[in-house]
Amino acid sequence: GAVVSQHPSRVICKSGTSVKIECRSLDFQATTMFWYRQFPKQSLMLMATSNEGSKATYEQGVEKDKFLINHASLTLSTLTVTSAHPEDSSFYICSATVGTDYEQYFGPGTRLTVT
Amino acid sequence: AQSVAQPEDQVNVAEGNPLTVKCTYSVSGNPYLFWYVQYPNRGLQFLLKYITGDNLVKGSYGFEAEFNKSQTSFHLKKPSALVSDSALYFCAARRASKIIFGSGTRLSIRP
Repeated sequence: GAVVSQHPSRVICKSGTSVKIECRSLDFQATTMFWYRQFPKQSLMLMATSNEGSKATYEQGVEKDKFLINHASLTLSTLTVTSAHPEDSSFYICSATVGTDYEQYFGPGTRLTVT
Repeated sequence: AQSVAQPEDQVNVAEGNPLTVKCTYSVSGNPYLFWYVQYPNRGLQFLLKYITGDNLVKGSYGFEAEFNKSQTSFHLKKPSALVSDSALYFCAARRASKIIFGSGTRLSIRP
């Protein structure tokens, strides 16, 4: 149980275009979903926290207009990187929690490359 | 500022030997502590957690971790390393709804 999927696993896009990444909880309803960014050989940086039906809470320094997060249902959250630039190239990982569960269940990640 | 520290970027161990990956935390209150493992181009896999109770926590794949409140540490251990244990390991602390990750330690097990 507690499986989180991400789609796509890899995406290459041209500079200036937008890319949408989906995060789904497959066998549970996620009350909260998190989006992280991981640079090569570095730790995970929390970008934002989203609760179903409400606006995402962004961490300091993360541009909310650039990284649009939608949490339309208890099983789906999307991250849209708008007007992507090469510096947005990174590994994006989502995670989900259930109620007051202590654990976060992580997706397999999405490798974004902007050319 | 609240933080989690993993002082070693890399740990090298021979197969069959015991391994330790160090973690200390600076988080107010009583945080929940976790260890995760990450294989190349993959998400994080949960290994174990400490919430309360026994200071020695046993987790997946033969790993265990010892919570030491006085030293604010939560070191990951395994009595006998396998080559397949080679991966990137993250220590994390949860405070409220957020998880704070350490910088990661790359574990390399040589045959």
